[in-house]
Amino acid sequence: AQSVTQLGSHVSVSEGALVLLRCNYSSSVPPYLFWYVQYPNQGLQLLLKYTTGATLVKGINGFEAEFKKSETSFHLTKPSAHMSDAAEYFCAVTLNSGYSTLTFGKGTMLLVSP
Amino acid sequence: DGGITQSPKYLFRKEGQNVTLSCEQNLNHDAMYWYRQDPGQGLRLIYYSQIVNDFQKGDIAEGYSVSREKKESFPLTVTSAQKNPTAFYLCASSSSGRLNEQFFGPGTRLTVL
Repeated sequence: AQSVTQLGSHVSVSEGALVLLRCNYSSSVPPYLFWYVQYPNQGLQLLLKYTTGATLVKGINGFEAEFKKSETSFHLTKPSAHMSDAAEYFCAVTLNSGYSTLTFGKGTMLLVSP
Repeated sequence: DGGITQSPKYLFRKEGQNVTLSCEQNLNHDAMYWYRQDPGQGLRLIYYSQIVNDFQKGDIAEGYSVSREKKESFPLTVTSAQKNPTAFYLCASSSSGRLNEQFFGPGTRLTVL
């Protein structure tokens, strides 16, 4: 079984500041990890994913995440926040073994102030 | 353009009524999924289907039913047995060869009056 914990249901930053959204996972086998973004009343859009290989993954809109096996983490970062980044962000995990469905964290709402 | 459509965007129903939410995809994806989203709860899997005429229960299937008669379509019925059906419902699909990368529809917000 797998699970995801996102620390902080809300994160507030100023425009231009560093964005850091935390995600820790639990998995019995090597995981595949994803970050999705959701704007109000819309579906989810994939930001980036880690499967195998390079542990630093770059995604859309300037976001990146680093897979750290020793810390069971996959934190999402962006060097400089923009107002348009305000949204809810979901971390998700699936197993690198057979067919496995996605398990989502509870989400972190990113608030960006001018 | 390829994508996933869900209809209607907003849906209201009275207690005791069944209601069916539509999900259609033209991405030629094999797998389709239904999620329920509640504030602060993330996404919870209701049902999923890997192939036509076959589907599996997810974590919260009680009070819901689905069918998969066509590859493109995966309708969800919210039955009167679902005790708290007011929520945002999201449909997704994925290709079996794309490592579970799921593509999402715009969602249907169901309100029980």
